[in-house]
Amino acid sequence: GAGVSQSPSNKVTEKGKDVELRCDPISGHTALYWYRQRLGQGLEFLIYFQGNSAPDKSGLPSDRFSAERTGESVSTLTIQRTQQEDSAVYLCASSFYGQGGPTGNTIYFGEGSWLTVV
Amino acid sequence: SQKIEQNSEALNIQEGKTATLTCNYTNYSPAYLQWYRQDPGRGPVFLLLIRENEKEKRKERLKVTFDTTLKQSLFHITASQPADSATYLCALVSGDGGYNKLIFGAGTRLAVHP
Repeated sequence: GAGVSQSPSNKVTEKGKDVELRCDPISGHTALYWYRQRLGQGLEFLIYFQGNSAPDKSGLPSDRFSAERTGESVSTLTIQRTQQEDSAVYLCASSFYGQGGPTGNTIYFGEGSWLTVV
Repeated sequence: SQKIEQNSEALNIQEGKTATLTCNYTNYSPAYLQWYRQDPGRGPVFLLLIRENEKEKRKERLKVTFDTTLKQSLFHITASQPADSATYLCALVSGDGGYNKLIFGAGTRLAVHP
């Protein structure tokens, strides 16, 4: 597709279970970002990928959170042993340039994966 | 500590008026600042970017100003329409490495009434 695609769009899981969230960035975009947005709040940076490497994972809140990217394309955000405080929208974004590229190029967001931990 | 502040209260205005939203930041020296629109249940959509050496940027009915001395950006929508009702987020670039690590404010909800 033309835009950033995320799946699942909605996920309800029981506390303690693991979840995987998937992001398909725009084709050719080298940079990929994950953000979290709790209800009524702003976006919280989680991790940035340049190609398949993650030079900045400073926003991951705990070691229960991990992410990988393969083929300079698809990325998966994994949350292990989910807690109720993990309930949020997880937004993925991509941009043509990342590190070393010109600043200010547009970032495109997906529609998010809504995670509810019960 | 570093902060980005946007008015947490919703802004209610009448159709046809100009909406002005404020973004203040502290302890950042951003190279540029961006504004996004977010509709309920959707991802943010990029609207405008303004660089530190630019005072003002316009796009159709939108205007953004950037005052690096005051550490403030203003976002204006002229001749507002009910369809402009949404949450507007400001974001500035942070960190080094030259990549677009955007730090977002919490957003201001705008409601334009007919």
